[in-house]
Order: sequence, then structure tokens, then C-alpha cells
Amino acid sequence: TQLLEQSPQFLSIQEGENLTVYCNSSSVFSSLQWYRQEPGEGPVLLVTVVTGGEVKKLKRLTFQFGDARKDSSLHITAAQPGDTGLYLCAGHTSGTYKYIFGTGTRLKVLA
Amino acid sequence: DVKVTQSSRYLVKRTGEKVFLECVQDMDHENMFWYRQDPGLGLRLIYFSYDVKMKEKGDIPEGYSVSREKKERFSLILESASTNQTSMYLCASSLFRNTGELFFGEGSRLTVL
Repeated sequence: TQLLEQSPQFLSIQEGENLTVYCNSSSVFSSLQWYRQEPGEGPVLLVTVVTGGEVKKLKRLTFQFGDARKDSSLHITAAQPGDTGLYLCAGHTSGTYKYIFGTGTRLKVLA
Repeated sequence: DVKVTQSSRYLVKRTGEKVFLECVQDMDHENMFWYRQDPGLGLRLIYFSYDVKMKEKGDIPEGYSVSREKKERFSLILESASTNQTSMYLCASSLFRNTGELFFGEGSRLTVL
């Protein structure tokens, strides 16, 4: 069974701090997605990475796909209260319909 | 705007009741999914459908069934609800078979007493 472990599980930081969330697996994925879920809402896609070593930036968020396509990280610079939410990584294997979701990182940014 | 709509945001049912969760998407997507979300476990796939009347079991199909009679509608059925099915249920759709973005509904929180 493919598993995606995220760390940390919970993170509470002050506005302006930097943070990194990790998503690790022993399996190789064709692509990896990051979603953010706010309370009372469904997850919303932030980014998809498909190439080993790929780095994508979305304003203050930087996403990296590991060289071996088994892991990924999300770095947030100068966190803001609007970044508060549940961050989920999801791995996909080519030829299947399945997305394997990580266990989630719940981030709270305090003003 | 793309939209996935789940019919009920909150439901409370009793053990043994039959439960229907409805999901409608307006994007003409081929693929639709039902996930269950529990704290610390992430999202786990219950069933998915890649075409009308086609369905495939996900990782945790036991106790659930699905129906897809029309392209835009995907229903999750709990034939006899049990307390361990208390959870948040998320419906999603996607256009592409591989690497496509999943569009989620707002979720249906089911409590089984």
C-alpha cells in the first residue's frame, strides 16, 4: 500500500515566520499535487509538480519535488493569517486513477 | 466558475438507516470520486467512476455503494449506516485521467448515532 507521510502534523506560528512542510513516501510518483483546505470547504489545488527536482513558486509559497519523485516540500515565506488551513499532498501514479493523499498538515498563523 | 455541489452539508442518521449522499458537477468531467476524510488519516478513496454506469472500488469500499446514472451526478450510498461511518465525505471530479486537478465539493459531514 502506498503511503504519504506529512510532517509536521500541526504547526502554529506567528505572522511573518517561515515554515516548511514535508511530504514523504517510499513510492515513486508520476506527479505530486499540493492542496489547501480551509474550514468548511473542500481542498483546492495549489500546484502540480511532475519532474524530479522541479521547483515551482506561487507568490510566497515554494514547492519542490524530490529528485527521485518520492518526496516533496512546501516552504512558506513570511506566513500570513490567510495561509491558515490544512495542507494536503497527493501523489499520482501514471496509468491509474488513484491519488494517494498525505495525512495533512494543519497550519495556524497567528496575527 | 467550476462547481461541485454536494446536496447535504450536515446529516445526522441512526444506525441501520440507509443514507444517500448526492454530488453534482457542472464541468462535464468524465471522472468522479468519493473520499472519506478523517483526522490524521488524510483522504481515503471509497469509489470512483470514469464514465456513466462505470465504477471502480477504491481503498475502503466496504459498507458503501455508488451510482452514476448521468455524467454529472455521482451518488454515494450507505446501505445500513454504522457509527464507524461517521465522517466527512468529499466528492471530487476531474477532467483528465492522469495528473488532472481534482475539484472538490464542500463536503458532507455525516454523524451516525
